[in-house]
Amino acid sequence: GAGVSQSPRYKVTKRGQDVALRCDPISGHVSLYWYRQALGQGPEFLTYFNYEAQQDKSGLPNDRFSAERPEGSISTLTIQRTEQRDSAMYRCASSLAQGGGYTFGSGTRLTVV
Amino acid sequence: AQTVTQSQPEMSVQEAETVTLSCTYDTSESDYYLFWYKQPPSRQMILVIRQEAYKQQNATENRFSVNFQKAAKSFSLKISDSQLGDAAMYFCAYRSPYGGSQGNLIFGKGTKLSVKP
Repeated sequence: GAGVSQSPRYKVTKRGQDVALRCDPISGHVSLYWYRQALGQGPEFLTYFNYEAQQDKSGLPNDRFSAERPEGSISTLTIQRTEQRDSAMYRCASSLAQGGGYTFGSGTRLTVV
Repeated sequence: AQTVTQSQPEMSVQEAETVTLSCTYDTSESDYYLFWYKQPPSRQMILVIRQEAYKQQNATENRFSVNFQKAAKSFSLKISDSQLGDAAMYFCAYRSPYGGSQGNLIFGKGTKLSVKP
């Protein structure tokens, strides 16, 4: 696609529910990053994919968070048993090559009530 | 580990005037990239300007320019002839020159810029 597409744009979920956030990167972009941005803060790194391989997940806050990119294109970030503290903007960014320039998606704003 | 500090939570500027947003960073690397991103109320993340540390010349993009002081680890953004559309959160970010997960962006906490008509 022309840009990085994230869906849904907004998600309100009840505490304890699982959510799946989707990122569709620019076609051909090899690298894909997930970030989380709390209100009033800068984005923080969560995890990184090179093609389908998840090469770094050191930023995932706990084991309720997981991500996949099975075919090296679309990626899904899953949060299990959501908690209120998970409420944030979740952003995806992709780049053509490792170390290349990034394009950010518009993000998914997650609210856990 | 690298860190990025933006010491001005909020700034205000009069339309058509010039404003400078501050950013300092800490790193032991000699080569790296620095960025300024703009986040308007729509909450998109828009790249404003990029600087490569090995280049001594300060980057410029139309009304936006940087003052890159490598020894001082300072990377300020100057906005000239401020416009109402410049009102946004501005994030300074650092990135290692390496690829992979080391290439992830490290952001400051942001500066909220208001532009007064």
